[in-house]
Amino acid sequence: QVQLQESGPGLVKPSETLSLSCTVSGGSISSYYWNWIRQPPGKGLEWIGSIQYTGSTNYNPSLKSRLTISVDTSKNQFSLKLSSVTAADTAVYYCATNSGYDAFHIWGQGTMVTVSS
Amino acid sequence: EIVMTQSPATLSVSPGERATLSCRASQSVTSNLAWYQQKPGQAPRLLIYGASTRATGIPARFSGSGSGTEFTLTISSLQSEDFAVYYCHQYTKWWTFGQGTKVEIK
Repeated sequence: QVQLQESGPGLVKPSETLSLSCTVSGGSISSYYWNWIRQPPGKGLEWIGSIQYTGSTNYNPSLKSRLTISVDTSKNQFSLKLSSVTAADTAVYYCATNSGYDAFHIWGQGTMVTVSS
Repeated sequence: EIVMTQSPATLSVSPGERATLSCRASQSVTSNLAWYQQKPGQAPRLLIYGASTRATGIPARFSGSGSGTEFTLTISSLQSEDFAVYYCHQYTKWWTFGQGTKVEIK
């Protein structure tokens, strides 16, 4: 059974870049699609973007100008970089997997990122 | 962007009773609709995909129906562990979620 684990700093300063990684265990990253989803405190879910092992990406248009998602198949990891962050980017960030245009069957436990000076 | 609207925002139900949650899409998503359950401090858990297919390990008291723009999640007899927030999610065009329905104890 595939498992996902997010990692990265819990505190980022405004205007800086938020960087997170998701490690895939129990399966190969060379299958499926790998997604980032976030949830601001007390609010709903927002899909951020996805990547396939080939490096092909899809980005939420509202975040596209600040977003980079990459994959490292040698480490079975994929990563998120979100630049020029503000307090509005404060959220729990989840990684999740699906088969493209499909539901998110497996989720990581999530990691809280706070944007504050 | 396809906007997903859930109703009601909060549903108060007694244990053992039936709960019916609604989700409406701003345009047709055919059957590309999923439901998730989220408890405090936890990641969402997939309950239903393809509008009506239960995910692995999901009890039969959870059922989904609908197609096009109108969808329903029914919990036939609420158990204590079912009190949570439920989200619908479309995956026809990009991936967007409803704002959630909180099912609370009456």
